[in-house]
Amino acid sequence: DVVLTQTPVAQPVTLGDQASISCRSSQSLVHSNGNTYLEWYLQKPGQSPQLLIYKVSNRFSGVPDRFIGSGSGSDFTLKISRVEPEDLGVYYCFQATHDPFTFGSGTKLEIK
Amino acid sequence: QIQLVQSGPELKKPGESVKISCKASGYTFTDYAMHWVKQAPGKGLKWMGWINTYTGKPTYADDFKGRFVFSLEASASTANLQISNLKNEDTATYFCGGFGYWGQGVMVTVSS
Repeated sequence: DVVLTQTPVAQPVTLGDQASISCRSSQSLVHSNGNTYLEWYLQKPGQSPQLLIYKVSNRFSGVPDRFIGSGSGSDFTLKISRVEPEDLGVYYCFQATHDPFTFGSGTKLEIK
Repeated sequence: QIQLVQSGPELKKPGESVKISCKASGYTFTDYAMHWVKQAPGKGLKWMGWINTYTGKPTYADDFKGRFVFSLEASASTANLQISNLKNEDTATYFCGGFGYWGQGVMVTVSS
């Protein structure tokens, strides 16, 4: 199975600053069709996960442009510029290239 | 607007079965696969598998083969998850969704 390693486990930030989360895959996430099915989710306490980014760098409907996904192959990054209070929670990367699909272990974005 | 509304919380004893539902609205039910995700208390997200809403064919991650069954009531735009022979470690919140939208989650508690 594909293992997604997220770092850091926790990211203390000052509101208004930038945060960066890494997601490294145990194998390339490039599908045989040429697409890379790497997604980013935010889960706030007591809520269901919400999709932020799909196919590495595409923002889902309604997601602010402060959220930027990048990367290729097996190395991916989510950057959040100008962190706001509503950005706090646990971020997960998720791959849907290889069966079984898998989530990373999560990164908690918290106030410094 | 797209909505996935799941059934209510369940309290079960070990060895019992449970069936939880996920009713979709706001889109054509057969246009998107339905995925299921497990989240044990205080833990991360775990992908359980998915069901093809057009053909009804389910696919299960290895840890969810045997006691877990995905099914459809396509005429009611509803997907179901049934868990038989419940164990304490099945205590978790179960989410349905995918394609950017998720249900609110169902808390299943297994306790004697």
